[in-house]
This record gives sequence, C-alpha cells and structure tokens, in this order.
Amino acid sequence: DQQVKQNSPSLSVQEGRISILNCDYTNSMFDYFLWYKKYPAEGPTFLISISSIKDKNEDGRFTVFLNKSAKHLSLHIVPSQPGDSAVYFCAASEAGNMLTFGGGTRLMVKP
Amino acid sequence: DAGVIQSPRHEVTEMGQEVTLRCKPISGHNSLFWYRQTMMRGLELLIYFNNNVPIDDSGMPEDRFSAKMPNASFSTLKIQPSEPRDSAVYFCASTVEWGRQPQHFGDGTRLSIL
Repeated sequence: DQQVKQNSPSLSVQEGRISILNCDYTNSMFDYFLWYKKYPAEGPTFLISISSIKDKNEDGRFTVFLNKSAKHLSLHIVPSQPGDSAVYFCAASEAGNMLTFGGGTRLMVKP
Repeated sequence: DAGVIQSPRHEVTEMGQEVTLRCKPISGHNSLFWYRQTMMRGLELLIYFNNNVPIDDSGMPEDRFSAKMPNASFSTLKIQPSEPRDSAVYFCASTVEWGRQPQHFGDGTRLSIL
C-alpha cells in the first residue's frame, strides 16, 4: 500500500506561470512533510518542509500548503522558471526520521 | 561544504558477484539512510542507522543485502550474491539528528547486474 501518492506523473507549465504539484497521504499519523527536487543523475535535494501544526510554509517562490482533513499537500512554484524542470518528490514522516516518499512528478517548464 | 559522498557512481557487474556500495555522510550528521530507487517501486528505504547503530532494516529485501556502519564517517551496503533484479539506483542520505530534519542525499550509485 502506498501511503504517499503523487497521482500526476508529469506536469507541463509555461515559464512565468504557477506550477502546482499535488500529494496525497493515507497515514493520519504523519506529522512532518517535505518536498524534494531531483535532477537527472543527481540525488534528491531538499526544497521545503512543513509541520502538521501549520497549514502553510513559504520560502521565496516556493509555498507548501497542508490540508490535514483532506490528507493533502501541495507545492506551489510562482513564477515557474525553466531551471525548475525536474522531478519533485513529496515525503512524509511520523514523529521521527523515516521518510515515506511519493512516486514523483516530473515538472517541465517551457520557455 | 562536502555533501554526502557515494562511490562508485556506476557499477556494472555480472550476476552472482559481490557488490559493495560506499557512503560517507556529512560530517556531524548522526543518522544515515540507504534507499533504492526503481521504476516499479520508486524511492524506498532499505535501512537506517542512528549513531552508527542499525535502527530499522525492515526495508532490506533479502538476506543477500547487508549494511554496516563501522564509524560515523563511513557506511557500506553489500549485495552478495547479486541478481539482475537488484539493478537500481542506490542512494545514501544523512541528517544532523533524529527528528524533524531534512535528509541530505548523495548523488547515488547506478547499479547494473547483467
């Protein structure tokens, strides 16, 4: 059973527009959520995180929203840039360091 | 600052051979993780260590897989004997302390078993 799901395998967005990546989870005990970005032939790079006590966290162009009742989180990138083209993974953990990853969404930002 | 360092970056070997993957975590990080990424299963946790002690190895697929962390600056993941279905990208990650801290990943080892 996949506890963390990213239902969109890919997303294409025009440069300058908003990119919205979505993630759903099933384990209500998850209390810490992260987004990672991955370029080809590199390891995942931490992007932004959010604790379950918050519903929004912002860092520059990146904002993560958490809807606990819906068990849903999303990553907004505004404005999108070609350099944002990568695979994005959401991850969740329960009171510790074991991360459960989603399957990833490939974002393509077109110039 | 040096990140997590993995070696080799690529490994191609024949079925039945022993494979050893190496990882040097970020200095000062107390927790280390081994992941495997495949098309079918995505990114899955194999084992993790805290202060050099294995905490959870429930993700290790079979007894052919073993991992050690003899000191705070070095860990190995060994597959013996290797099989074609072990072909994947293996990542090592470390984090500064147990708890809500992001993990920092190495660039991975791409393993191909022929």
